[in-house]
Amino acid sequence: DQQVKQNSPSLSVQEGRISILNCDYTNSMFDYFLWYKKYPAEGPTFLISISSIKDKNEDGRFTVFLNKSAKHLSLHIVPSQPGDSAVYFCAASATGNTGKLIFGQGTTLQVKP
Amino acid sequence: NAGVTQTPKFQVLKTGQSMTLQCAQDMNHNSMYWYRQDPGMGLRLIYYSASEGTTDKGEVPNGYNVSRLNKREFSLRLESAAPSQTSVYFCASTSPGVAGANVLTFGAGSRLTVL
Repeated sequence: DQQVKQNSPSLSVQEGRISILNCDYTNSMFDYFLWYKKYPAEGPTFLISISSIKDKNEDGRFTVFLNKSAKHLSLHIVPSQPGDSAVYFCAASATGNTGKLIFGQGTTLQVKP
Repeated sequence: NAGVTQTPKFQVLKTGQSMTLQCAQDMNHNSMYWYRQDPGMGLRLIYYSASEGTTDKGEVPNGYNVSRLNKREFSLRLESAAPSQTSVYFCASTSPGVAGANVLTFGAGSRLTVL
C-alpha cells in the first residue's frame, strides 16, 4: 500500500509557464511534507517543505500547497525554467523531526525552451 | 565540501555474493540513513542510525545489515545478494537541531546489479 502517491509519472511544460506537480497521501498521521528534486546520476536534493499546521509555503519560484482535508499537496513552479527539468519526489513524515520519510514514486518534469 | 560520499558508484554481483556499500559524511550529522530507489517505487528506507551506536530497521530491511562505525560512517552489507536487490542505493544524513531534521543530505548513489 503506497501511502504517498504521485499519480503523474511525467509532466511537460513550456518555459515560462507554471508547472504543477501533485501528490496524494493516505496516512492522516503525517505531520510534515517535503519535495525533493533529483537530477540523473545525482542524489535527491531538498527543495521545499511544509508543516501540517500550514496550508502554504513559498520559496522564490517554488510554492507548496497543502490541503489536509483532501490529503493532497501540490508543488507550483512559476515561472518554469529548463534547469527545472528533473524528477520531483514528494515525501512525508509521521515520526516528527527525523529523516524517516515515505516517498512518492516521483514525477519527471520536462521544461521545454 | 564533500557532504555525503558513497562508494562504490557501480557494482555488479552474482547471486549469493556479498558486498558492503560504504557511506561517510563530513557534516557532523548525528543521523544517517540508507534508502533504495526502484523504478515506480520511489525511495524506500532500509535501515537508519539515529545516533552513533544505534541502528534500526526501516521499511525494507530484509537481506541487509548495517554498521554505524563511528559518527561519520554508516555501511550497508548484503550478505547473500539476490536479483531483487538490484537497485540504486542512497545514503543520507541529517541532524536534530538543523532547521528541519527531515531535510536529508543525500549521496550521489550506488548502482548495484545482481545477476
